[in-house]
Amino acid sequence: GAVVSQHPSRVICKSGTSVKIECRSLDFQATTMFWYRQFPKQSLMLMATSNEGSKATYEQGVEKDKFLINHASLTLSTLTVTSAHPEDSSFYICSAGRGGATYNEQFFGPGTRLTVL
Amino acid sequence: GDSVTQMEGPVTLSEEAFLTINCTYTATGYPSLFWYVQYPGEGLQLLLKATKADDKGSNKGFEATYRKETTSFHLEKGSVQVSDSAVYFCALKTSYDKVIFGPGTSLSVIP
Repeated sequence: GAVVSQHPSRVICKSGTSVKIECRSLDFQATTMFWYRQFPKQSLMLMATSNEGSKATYEQGVEKDKFLINHASLTLSTLTVTSAHPEDSSFYICSAGRGGATYNEQFFGPGTRLTVL
Repeated sequence: GDSVTQMEGPVTLSEEAFLTINCTYTATGYPSLFWYVQYPGEGLQLLLKATKADDKGSNKGFEATYRKETTSFHLEKGSVQVSDSAVYFCALKTSYDKVIFGPGTSLSVIP
């Protein structure tokens, strides 16, 4: 149990286009999901916390108008990179917490490799 | 603010050698502590965790003990294998449910 999927696994797009990445909790409900960004050979940086039915909470320095997050249901959160540019190329990883307010573990998706040409 | 520090890599060991990867943290309250592993080309996997002081997490021969007095959570394994080659991340979960990762330590095990 506790599987988190992401789609697509890889995406290549042209500069100026928008890309949507989906994150799904397959066998549990997640009121909170998290979006991370990982640059090559670096650690994961938390971008935002996505709460079902409410606005996402963004970390300092993350442009909310560029990285749109929607958490429309208890099993799905989406991250849309708007007007993507080459510097947005990165590995995007989502995670979901299980167990409501008392959960003690996040389950990570396999990640989405975004390349902007 | 809350943070995690790990020993610098890369670490290269021979098969069957003893492994220690140091991790220390700074946090308010009582965080939960984790070690995650990322194999080449894959996503993160939880390796082990500890939720309170003096807890020992263990999995696949790896273990780490939550030391509140030294704010540490060092990862150890008695005999590494080539298949253990990966990047290891120490992390903590704050009272606000955010997970903060250390910079990662790359481990290469050679036959």
